[in-house]
Amino acid sequence: SAVISQKPSRDICQRGTSLTIQCQVDSQVTMMFWYRQQPGQSLTLIATANQGSEATYESGFVIDKFPISRPNLTFSTLTVSNMSPEDSSIYLCSVSRTVNTEAFFGQGTRLTVV
Amino acid sequence: TQLLEQSPQFLSIQEGENLTVYCNSSSVFSSLQWYRQEPGEGPVLLVTVVTGGEVKKLKRLTFQFGDARKDSSLHITAAQPGDTGLYLCAGERGAQKLVFGQGTRLTINP
Repeated sequence: SAVISQKPSRDICQRGTSLTIQCQVDSQVTMMFWYRQQPGQSLTLIATANQGSEATYESGFVIDKFPISRPNLTFSTLTVSNMSPEDSSIYLCSVSRTVNTEAFFGQGTRLTVV
Repeated sequence: TQLLEQSPQFLSIQEGENLTVYCNSSSVFSSLQWYRQEPGEGPVLLVTVVTGGEVKKLKRLTFQFGDARKDSSLHITAAQPGDTGLYLCAGERGAQKLVFGQGTRLTINP
């Protein structure tokens, strides 16, 4: 397993501002992902954070809104830009083992936009 | 598009009762996973099923993978308040990406 630390754990932000979420893993991992979990909903994949190159975004998510950095194999950031109340969600960092694609998650960042 | 349909979405039962949660798809998955998520935490992996027809037991939890690898079930025997949480099934959709079911919010009343 992997230990994943995410911060902040929660934040309340004004609309129009941006928030950067950090994800630190205790070991080097190849695959890192960012998910969004809207209130009462399941998880939706935002993007795959690629080390040394641009992230790969899923349909409905764009780099201008959710820029991602992955400077090395243990760290990644997700920025939620120009926030609106619709961005209020839990954002989760995840790493994946290559065997059976088992995923390990950080504790999540609960974002409220007012 | 690979989708996982999970049912029921909400379930509230009394302590000691049994329950089953279903996860169905029209697509074949190489593996399916079950996670449990508690408030304020990320999902935690419970089990991975890989082989069609496979049954895995984890104490009072029994997981089954359908013969065609398109569906799975989670059965809890003698549910306890500590089983309360959001249960999620997930399957790989390529490049190590997971697709998640809608989740089942389970409440066990003492």
